[in-house]
Amino acid sequence: QAVVTQEPSLTVSPGGTVTLTCGSSTGAVTSGHYPYWFQQKPGQAPRTLIYDTSNKHSWTPARFSGSLLGGKAALTLSGAQPEDEAEYYCFLSYSAVRVFGGGTKLTVL
Amino acid sequence: EAQLVESGGGLVQPGRSLRLSCTTSGFTFGDYAMSWVRQAPGKGLEWVGFIRTKVYGGTTEYAASVKGRFTISRDDSKSIAYLQMNSLKTEDTAVYYCCVYGEVDYWGQGTLVTVSS
Repeated sequence: QAVVTQEPSLTVSPGGTVTLTCGSSTGAVTSGHYPYWFQQKPGQAPRTLIYDTSNKHSWTPARFSGSLLGGKAALTLSGAQPEDEAEYYCFLSYSAVRVFGGGTKLTVL
Repeated sequence: EAQLVESGGGLVQPGRSLRLSCTTSGFTFGDYAMSWVRQAPGKGLEWVGFIRTKVYGGTTEYAASVKGRFTISRDDSKSIAYLQMNSLKTEDTAVYYCCVYGEVDYWGQGTLVTVSS
């Protein structure tokens, strides 16, 4: 089974910019992996921020954006807010199987 | 407003079985694939599997860690999805979420399954 890799932890200053990445053990991540980004806060269920590489939901703050960058999926947060402190999970499709990354704990400090 | 409520979790001994239910309302259940995701205590998310809509044959896909032991089914007449878990192992201990993701995003609150002797 493929392994999806993420940075275990990142720190960003309030108002700053940070990029979270998502790699695949099988090679470059492409739009064909339909990358998702989920946000999870303590004690809550996850929710989708980004689907199919770069599509946002109505609740996704404009400061979040999804892209493909250097063979990886990327989630960029521009203008970090304290409420963005959370765990972020990448999620990729491999034909029938789906795989989550290990998650990135984002600290806004 | 879409609602998903998982039930059926609890304490079970290794090797035994358990069936989780995901009772839904507020959306056209039959139009969506239903997925199960789990999260072991203090750990990350793990995709368990999903069931396609009847239009796509109602077929299922599973993670390697549960394939052959877990079965996902659906009852479109009742708007309920099920996760039948057999031959449970201690490593199956987790909060189990049912969900719909994609152009919509619906999640239950999760139900805790503890596999322990």
